[in-house]
Amino acid sequence: QLQLQESGPRLVKPSETLSLTCTVSGASIIDYTHYWVWIRQPPGEGLEWIGSIYYSGGTYYSPSLKSRVTLSVDTTKRRFSMKLSSVTATDTAVYFCATQYSGTWALDHWGQGTRVSVSS
Amino acid sequence: QTVVTQEPSSSVSPGGTVTLTCGLSSGSVSSRYYPSWYQQTPGQAPRTLIYSTNSRSSGVPDRFSGSIIGNKAALTITGAQADDESHYYCVLYMGSDVVFGGGTKLTVL
Repeated sequence: QLQLQESGPRLVKPSETLSLTCTVSGASIIDYTHYWVWIRQPPGEGLEWIGSIYYSGGTYYSPSLKSRVTLSVDTTKRRFSMKLSSVTATDTAVYFCATQYSGTWALDHWGQGTRVSVSS
Repeated sequence: QTVVTQEPSSSVSPGGTVTLTCGLSSGSVSSRYYPSWYQQTPGQAPRTLIYSTNSRSSGVPDRFSGSIIGNKAALTITGAQADDESHYYCVLYMGSDVVFGGGTKLTVL
């Protein structure tokens, strides 16, 4: 059973870069059928797609975050990562990693989420 | 920018039926957007309920069903139970973009 686990700092200072990693277990990250996805949820708000990456490195980003987000994948370590630059308090959120199955475009597996606060 | 619209809130009586909808600020939702639905309770990761308009995810009770009604995607809960009280999000796949609706808070009372 595919499992995802987010990791990274819980507190980031304004203007710095937020870096998170999602470790994949129970399945190969070299998966022709899935995209690896980042999603976030500010406190008390809804879910927001950040971006998706394919195992080969192809990326798709939310238009609203595109200028600040970089996704990458490390197939040797079975993990994928997200960097969000120039963070502000509005980037405070629970960040989820997930998978999206290309056959149905469903978000079919989710990590438990990690809460990140942006504060000095 | 595309906006996916959902009712902010809805309510249903235990045992009743409720339909939540998912529309577009401009245009109609169709199966080509592969609408999917997710249930989220506070402090938890979302759970996949419905994908590709009307396919139930593994383990999802058959009281949850998906469809297209008019120009919107719809999630219908038939025979609502107390633990269906949650937030429900629809997602549309629009080319390479994944677009979430704002979510509907469903109250069972």
